[in-house]
Amino acid sequence: DARVTQTPRDKVTEMGQEVTMRCQPILGHNTVFWYRQTMMQGLELLAYFRNRAPLDDSGMPKDRFSAEMPDATLATLKIQPSEPRDSAVYFCASGWTISDRAPPNNEQFFGPGTRLTVL
Amino acid sequence: KNQVEQSPQSLIILEGKNCTLQCNYTVSPFSNLRWYKQDTGRGPVSLTIMTFSENTKSNGRYTATLDADTKQSSLHITASQLSDSASYICVVPRSNDYKLSFGAGTTVTVRA
Repeated sequence: DARVTQTPRDKVTEMGQEVTMRCQPILGHNTVFWYRQTMMQGLELLAYFRNRAPLDDSGMPKDRFSAEMPDATLATLKIQPSEPRDSAVYFCASGWTISDRAPPNNEQFFGPGTRLTVL
Repeated sequence: KNQVEQSPQSLIILEGKNCTLQCNYTVSPFSNLRWYKQDTGRGPVSLTIMTFSENTKSNGRYTATLDADTKQSSLHITASQLSDSASYICVVPRSNDYKLSFGAGTTVTVRA
């Protein structure tokens, strides 16, 4: 049963601390998406990778957020320094595409999320 | 303005009853529409994906309809069960684009 895995599931930290969230996409998938979900904004796209290359990070605050894919089995989202307004659930999703834009009928498979609380 | 609007925001139904959720979209050009189910504390899981030519699609007790002319979709839950308690999110991708337009979701609570 192939699934996207994310760690940690829950993270509580203090303002100013560095936070690193990890994602293992489904084996064989070549696209990775990072989303943030809040009650106010719903799901928002933060970053998009294809074949480990970042193609879109326009949804991320550039000064504090960074996303990388060190290898095909690991994607990371880092916040430094963290702020209370970063409190949200962060989801990773993976999929597969043969073009630089996901074909419209390809699904994105979501992980269980990391619930981040910044005090 | 969000290009995907869902209603109602929330609803409560008794176990065994039916309910219908609505989704209106303005995303253009249109390629497909997806309904996701999100259980509390979990990530969204796809229920159905409907393309332009499909009017109705079922997945067990879930039936989705699509009217591409009026840009409306509905998700009907038949004989609801306690496990149907979740948020249901309508998602419309831009044609040939990886970006998804998400609705705010409808929270369904099924009570015994």
